Amino acid sequence: AQSVAQPEDQVNVAEGNPLTVKCTYSVSGNPYLFWYVQYPNRGLQFLLKYITGDNLVKGSYGFEAEFNKSQTSFHLKKPSALVSDSALYFCAVRGLNTDKLIFGTGTRLQVFP
Amino acid sequence: NAGVTQTPKFQVLKTGQSMTLQCAQDMNHNSMYWYRQDPGMGLRLIYYSASEGTTDKGEVPNGYNVSRLNKREFSLRLESAAPSQTSVYFCASSEHPGQGITEAFFGQGTRLTVV
Repeated sequence: AQSVAQPEDQVNVAEGNPLTVKCTYSVSGNPYLFWYVQYPNRGLQFLLKYITGDNLVKGSYGFEAEFNKSQTSFHLKKPSALVSDSALYFCAVRGLNTDKLIFGTGTRLQVFP
Repeated sequence: NAGVTQTPKFQVLKTGQSMTLQCAQDMNHNSMYWYRQDPGMGLRLIYYSASEGTTDKGEVPNGYNVSRLNKREFSLRLESAAPSQTSVYFCASSEHPGQGITEAFFGQGTRLTVV
């Protein structure tokens, strides 16, 4: 079955420090992986995606994510966090031959000044 | 460029009432989705549609029906609303895997309260 796990409900980090938001997935075959961000009372905004190719994917607002096939992970990272990065982050997966797009439970990122 | 448009934005229903949430996209996407978002539960897939005329159940389909009216429109119907269906509902669209992967584009959501 297709699934996504985001093991941390909340991640706290000081401004200027690096941040990591974790995601692991389960899907048949090769995965297509996505990260989205949601600000309060807003819809979801796309950050980045892994389809194929380089395992390190760069996206919007300085975020990047590393695809690790052996660990079935796709962790979101940023070298230097900003207070404005505080939001709810979602990881999502779809399989090679399916339109089914499954999201994780979300991780709330709090960046403190 | 509107993207994905959902109506209404807010709705209050009484238990047992029915209603239809409307969704339309103008990006010529084949795939469309309905999700619900609840605190601590993330986004859960209710139904999805790979193309006009096809629909498939997601993770939490019970209590809902959908119609893919044409390529642009995908509606979600609650036949007899229950308080457990109080949630924020999101519609999304994306392209087929076979057509080149795009990310999903989301509407702004419908906040539904069932009393």
